[in-house]
Amino acid sequence: DTGVSQDPRHKITKRGQNVTFRCDPISEHNRLYWYRQTLGQGPEFLTYFQNEAQLEKSRLLSDRFSAERPKGSFSTLEIQRTEQGDSAMYLCASRRLAGHTDTQYFGPGTRLTVL
Amino acid sequence: AQTVTQSQPEMSVQEAETVTLSCTYDTSENNYYLFWYKQPPSRQMILVIRQEAYKQQNATENRFSVNFQKAAKSFSLKISDSQLGDTAMYFCAFVLGSGTYKYIFGTGTRLKVLA
Repeated sequence: DTGVSQDPRHKITKRGQNVTFRCDPISEHNRLYWYRQTLGQGPEFLTYFQNEAQLEKSRLLSDRFSAERPKGSFSTLEIQRTEQGDSAMYLCASRRLAGHTDTQYFGPGTRLTVL
Repeated sequence: AQTVTQSQPEMSVQEAETVTLSCTYDTSENNYYLFWYKQPPSRQMILVIRQEAYKQQNATENRFSVNFQKAAKSFSLKISDSQLGDTAMYFCAFVLGSGTYKYIFGTGTRLKVLA
């Protein structure tokens, strides 16, 4: 396994700008998750993909957030019209279809700072 | 709804000593899994140990072991022979054994191992 990768690792943007993050899961993992982690808190679930289908979205995911996973490979998370409250670490995780299917493997995260 | 509570925001332990981190959870389901993840400073989350709720035997992984008390809904992590590299945030996580398998995390315990 080469591990879950995320890009960029850090993003600083001004309020009102759009940002997009990318996640590349472990190659044989068909399930992909996005979480948001704010300072002093544990990660909170945002959304989930099985292959290319987005099967669940949290109420945390406002209309300004959109996620895609074209062709069931990498995923992108876009935030439009960023607000200071969007500042957080955005984590991606993936899990496999067989074996310990309950276990998720996390990427290093993208830390977003909105000025 | 399921919840996870970690009541110790910070802990410290001397190198080579043993430390126990607490976690309680709330659920009315029977099919679930519990995890401890480690998040070193500025590094990605790593799985420490995993427990299947239907197994009475406590999970162990080298120096890490859990005390799983299903009736009490308690899931503590014991780290033996603490090492400087164990310094990290530790998150307890819960996942139902069906549906999306999204994780529910506690707020974390910051562990510092002292030389």
